[in-house]
Amino acid sequence: DQQVKQNSPSLSVQEGRISILNCDYTNSMFDYFLWYKKYPAEGPTFLISISSIKDKNEDGRFTVFLNKSAKHLSLHIVPSQPGDSAVYFCAASGVSNYQLIWGAGTKLIIKP
Amino acid sequence: EAQVTQNPRYLITVTGKKLTVTCSQNMNHEYMSWYRQDPGLGLRQIYYSMNVEVTDKGDVPEGYKVSRKEKRNFPLILESPSPNQTSLYFCASSLTGTGLYGYTFGSGTRLTVV
Repeated sequence: DQQVKQNSPSLSVQEGRISILNCDYTNSMFDYFLWYKKYPAEGPTFLISISSIKDKNEDGRFTVFLNKSAKHLSLHIVPSQPGDSAVYFCAASGVSNYQLIWGAGTKLIIKP
Repeated sequence: EAQVTQNPRYLITVTGKKLTVTCSQNMNHEYMSWYRQDPGLGLRQIYYSMNVEVTDKGDVPEGYKVSRKEKRNFPLILESPSPNQTSLYFCASSLTGTGLYGYTFGSGTRLTVV
């Protein structure tokens, strides 16, 4: 049973618009949630994280929102740029559990 | 430059021929981990290590071995590779392993077992 789900395998967004990537989880014990970005032929790179005690974290064009009651998080990218085209993975971690649980990824395509 | 280095980047081998994928980090990280990435399944953890001589199974450890004799190195060993181990493999390291500081990943090793 997948504890972290990214239900959209791909998403296409116009350059300059907002990209919203979604992630759902089932385990209420997760303490940290992370987003990673992956280009082809490269390893994932850490993008942004959020602790379960917060509901929002911002870093430049990237904002992550956490809705604990719905067990849902989302990554907003504003404005979207061509270099944002990549696969985005959501991952979750518990403080006492030294593992990251990963979603299957969403391929984001930014159209010029 | 802070990095995780994996070798080789690409490997084609035959069923049953033992192989080792090396992983080295230069950040003095305590935590290291191996993942495999398969289409539609995201990243699945194979093994992880909290420190030297401390290793533990992840979600898909069958058919793999690891060792952590030094802090910087964490090789992945396939004693008798099989075609279902054809995958993209990533090594990662982190200060603590809890996810708080994020993980640094290597560039990946694409393994094909025929």
